[in-house]
Amino acid sequence: NAGVTQTPKFRILKIGQSMTLQCTQDMNHNYMYWYRQDPGMGLKLIYYSVGAGITDKGEVPNGYNVSRSTTEDFPLRLELAAPSQTSVYFCASSYSYGRAANEQFFGPGTRLTVL
Amino acid sequence: ELKVEQNPLFLSMQEGKNYTIYCNYSTTSDRLYWYRQDPGKSLESLFVLLSNGAVKQEGRLMASLDTKARLSTLHITAAVHDLSATYFCAVDGGAQKLVFGQGTRLTINP
Repeated sequence: NAGVTQTPKFRILKIGQSMTLQCTQDMNHNYMYWYRQDPGMGLKLIYYSVGAGITDKGEVPNGYNVSRSTTEDFPLRLELAAPSQTSVYFCASSYSYGRAANEQFFGPGTRLTVL
Repeated sequence: ELKVEQNPLFLSMQEGKNYTIYCNYSTTSDRLYWYRQDPGKSLESLFVLLSNGAVKQEGRLMASLDTKARLSTLHITAAVHDLSATYFCAVDGGAQKLVFGQGTRLTINP
């Protein structure tokens, strides 16, 4: 199992450009998440999905969009990039099953700089 | 709104010493997670605490949860250099949406 994979690892964008961050998991998890981590801070939830076709906003959704057409993939779209979106982006996935641990497994991250 | 606070935010300690990191949260939850992050790396799951009074131990790390006090602790026993990292607690705010603390940057000196 590769677990959670993310591409690209690094990206530099100019203000106003758009891009898609890719996330794939091979653990058959139904829940998937996108977080951002600003320097020296904890993670903040951008969007999450409880299954294919179902997405919802997290704490900091402005400037981002997501879709979930398959169980495995959960891409994050940045439209009109702004310097405030400079951050490290982590994708995560988990099961949802009753009282189980449901811990989230994280991908390696994408380091994005907007200049 | 759920808020999660860790203290201390920075901790420098000597090898062989014991110390505790505290995680307080503001609203009821019975599910709390501890993660470790090395510089420039992703998050690694350490512990999952699912109920009041839960205690988990792995090597020199022990985590506990008091849901009535809304407090979790991560205790480090006889610290070694390899434990240097940033430690995050995260609380389930409902529907498995995690709210993270700011992190505690731990440096262990020889």
